[in-house]
Amino acid sequence: DQQVKQNSPSLSVQEGRISILNCDYTNSMFDYFLWYKKYPAEGPTFLISISSIKDKNEDGRFTVFLNKSAKHLSLHIVPSQPGDSAVYFCAAKVGGDDKIIFGKGTRLHILP
Amino acid sequence: ETGVTQSPTHLIKTRGQQVTLRCSSQSGHNTVSWYQQALGQGPQFIFQYYREEENGRGNFPPRFSGLQFPNYSSELNVNALELDDSALYLCASSALAGRPETQYFGPGTRLLVL
Repeated sequence: DQQVKQNSPSLSVQEGRISILNCDYTNSMFDYFLWYKKYPAEGPTFLISISSIKDKNEDGRFTVFLNKSAKHLSLHIVPSQPGDSAVYFCAAKVGGDDKIIFGKGTRLHILP
Repeated sequence: ETGVTQSPTHLIKTRGQQVTLRCSSQSGHNTVSWYQQALGQGPQFIFQYYREEENGRGNFPPRFSGLQFPNYSSELNVNALELDDSALYLCASSALAGRPETQYFGPGTRLLVL
């Protein structure tokens, strides 16, 4: 039972354009959401997070939007750069629980 | 300041054997979490150790066990290996339990069970 779903295995975006990565979740108890970036042969790196009390969080080129009623979040990268080519994982957790639930990931390719 | 390191980087075992994977935490970090990432999947939480005690466990059988040492390094032990245990095993350390955004992941150990 996949509680965090990333339905697009891969995405290709032109350099300089906006990349939008989507994520859906089924567990309404989730109250904290995270995005991680992973390069080959490296562990995931934390990118940005959002609490369920917010609907938007921005950090430089990265913005995460949360739509609780739709149980949907998205990560926007503007403008996309070649170094953004990586696998992006959406993840979620419940309150003080340290167990993080990850999606399967979306591979982002930034095209020159 | 050194990052999170894991050893070995790769290993091959046969079904039924036992394996021990090792993780050295980032300096000053007292919390270690272990994850299993099967091919084409996201990481799955195995368990977490905080100050040498298990502090939460995912849906993994008891043959997955762990240890954390006084220097906060950690081991993941898997007994009676099965083919489905083939995966990338990641450890992550943090200075604050309950704050996943403070976690730093190691590069992982890739385990192949034949």
